[in-house]
Amino acid sequence: KQEVTQIPAALSVPEGENLVLNCSFTDSAIYNLQWFRQDPGKGLTSLLLIQSSQREQTSGRLNASLDKSSGRSTLYIAASQPGDSATYLCAVQKTGANNLFFGTGTRLTVIP
Amino acid sequence: KAGVTQTPRYLIKTRGQQVTLSCSPISGHRSVSWYQQTPGQGLQFLFEYFSETQRNKGNFPGRFSGRQFSNSRSEMNVSTLELGDSALYLCASRTGTHSYNEQFFGPGTRLTVL
Repeated sequence: KQEVTQIPAALSVPEGENLVLNCSFTDSAIYNLQWFRQDPGKGLTSLLLIQSSQREQTSGRLNASLDKSSGRSTLYIAASQPGDSATYLCAVQKTGANNLFFGTGTRLTVIP
Repeated sequence: KAGVTQTPRYLIKTRGQQVTLSCSPISGHRSVSWYQQTPGQGLQFLFEYFSETQRNKGNFPGRFSGRQFSNSRSEMNVSTLELGDSALYLCASRTGTHSYNEQFFGPGTRLTVL
């Protein structure tokens, strides 16, 4: 069974800091890994999707890396802003499965 | 292009009742998946529909069911509601059921069971 864990569960940083969110998964037979953002009471916004053959993806101030063999992914956020405050979720799609397995999430607060 | 829409956005029911939630996918998307999000269990997969057929199912009791119409819109039904069914129900759509098809999520329906 695929288990996805995110550390830390919550993180507070002052505005302007660079930060790293971690995601680990137990089964390395994944097709892709996706990072989402969720604002309180809202749906999920896709941030980055990394195919299993890729090592990283970048979008603006966000950079996600994937090390499939060790079962880890990181989301790097540069120059954090108060608007980045949200819960960040990683999700993996196992090879041969169509659904996503979600992590427990990291609640990020960026303090002005 | 409009995103995934879900109705209603909020719902309050009492134990024992049944409820139907609706999801309209992005135009051109033929696959719809449903997920339940609770503080204790996080996000869990319920089922996926493609071309009006259930293609994949998570580990939920038979009280949870769904269907998909010919226009790809999907409904999810929960019968005999329990307090533990209180959750945010999210649907996601994608063009097909291949692993490389990215999923796009709707805003969710917040169900409260009293």
